[in-house]
Amino acid sequence: KAGVTQTPRYLIKTRGQQVTLSCSPISGHRSVSWYQQTPGQGLQFLFEYFSETQRNKGNFPGRFSGRQFSNSRSEMNVSTLELGDSALYLCASRRSSDGSYEQYFGPGTRLTVT
Amino acid sequence: AQSVTQPDIHITVSEGASLELRCNYSYGATPYLFWYVQSPGQGLQLLLKYFSGDTLVQGIKGFEAEFKRSQSSFNLRKPSVHWSDAAEYFCAVGGTGGFKTIFGAGTRLFVKA
Repeated sequence: KAGVTQTPRYLIKTRGQQVTLSCSPISGHRSVSWYQQTPGQGLQFLFEYFSETQRNKGNFPGRFSGRQFSNSRSEMNVSTLELGDSALYLCASRRSSDGSYEQYFGPGTRLTVT
Repeated sequence: AQSVTQPDIHITVSEGASLELRCNYSYGATPYLFWYVQSPGQGLQLLLKYFSGDTLVQGIKGFEAEFKRSQSSFNLRKPSVHWSDAAEYFCAVGGTGGFKTIFGAGTRLFVKA
């Protein structure tokens, strides 16, 4: 079974631009979560989608948004990029949004904002 | 409030020595506990999971973890560390229902030759 895939793997953007990251979950998984990982802040939860609905949201500004499609693929968008948005963005999928299920992570998208 | 604490930011262990990484959690209901490992530049990989039954859980790569309810702990252990175990390790807690999984800050493991 194929794992979680994220595209692109690496991205360089300029401050003020916007960016869209994509995540394809494991087949049969309907929940997709997004995390931001930085050396200073560690792993921070952005949001979780299940059946095209946002189920949970972390403490990030409205510049960070996401959506999920009917095939469970998910995208996250960051508008008006800031230098501090440089990070590894990880996507994770699981069968259900129930917290008792383990998550399977993709390799991440490394975003650099200059 | 739910939380996970990994008291050690980094740990250095000699190759072949034993390892214990600490994890303490705060959770109001029955916890589901996880350990993940992240190698440099990669995503997180599940090492093991505890949800009920035997408090000693076996995982992949020779790791095990012990759940101690009285101490709210879920420490990760390995009897003999290999150089390839150098990575960052994350403890996490989840529960039934719509609660999001909460991750600790991680412990970076360095292995000395």
